[in-house]
Amino acid sequence: DAKTTQPPSMDCAEGRAANLPCNHSTISGNEYVYWYRQIHSQGPQYIIHGLKNNETNEMASLIITEDRKSSTLILPHATLRDTAVYYCIVRVASEDDKIIFGKGTRLHILP
Amino acid sequence: DTGVSQNPRHKITKRGQNVTFRCDPISEHNRLYWYRQTLGQGPEFLTYFQNEAQLEKSRLLSDRFSAERPKGSFSTLEIQRTEQGDSAMYLCASTPPRGSSYNSPLHFGNGTRLTVT
Repeated sequence: DAKTTQPPSMDCAEGRAANLPCNHSTISGNEYVYWYRQIHSQGPQYIIHGLKNNETNEMASLIITEDRKSSTLILPHATLRDTAVYYCIVRVASEDDKIIFGKGTRLHILP
Repeated sequence: DTGVSQNPRHKITKRGQNVTFRCDPISEHNRLYWYRQTLGQGPEFLTYFQNEAQLEKSRLLSDRFSAERPKGSFSTLEIQRTEQGDSAMYLCASTPPRGSSYNSPLHFGNGTRLTVT
């Protein structure tokens, strides 16, 4: 079973920051937080991952709370192309094993 | 394009027929995964290969399903005697050897959409 909880859907206005929350209250010390997204009719696309520090790349920022029980994915300037299902996943780094998806958050970017 | 390639993109078959899908992973990715995704759900893990060895199979993978990776490169997923409940998107992903990048994300193809009529 997925170890994360996400809202089923969210809306965000184009050009604004999209903040997608994820709860992972049972996360273990060696588990990383990963985010993927899936645009309609495509396979999931890796976005970003982190352990405890905040992370930023060209796609997004990941903010992880100090207790690591929750995180937020931030898309700084959302565009219509960011409309997708966003999956938050916890994954043990040492095993590099399969990933278990939940249902994700369906993000609608509104023009 | 050097991403994960899946063929065909779409397959329509009649119930009871056999179908086979192919996945070509990213070059030098020795680990390969198959997932299934139905409408409105996240992808569900089916099976995993490291090189040619099939290391794990989900209980979702009934005995009508068989996956192979004979030379440790491309993989095939065959479904025998298809049922309407097999209608789904079948996704393949790959990742490099564990030692080369400790937290390698999975790289997914765009899937094969199967419709069983």
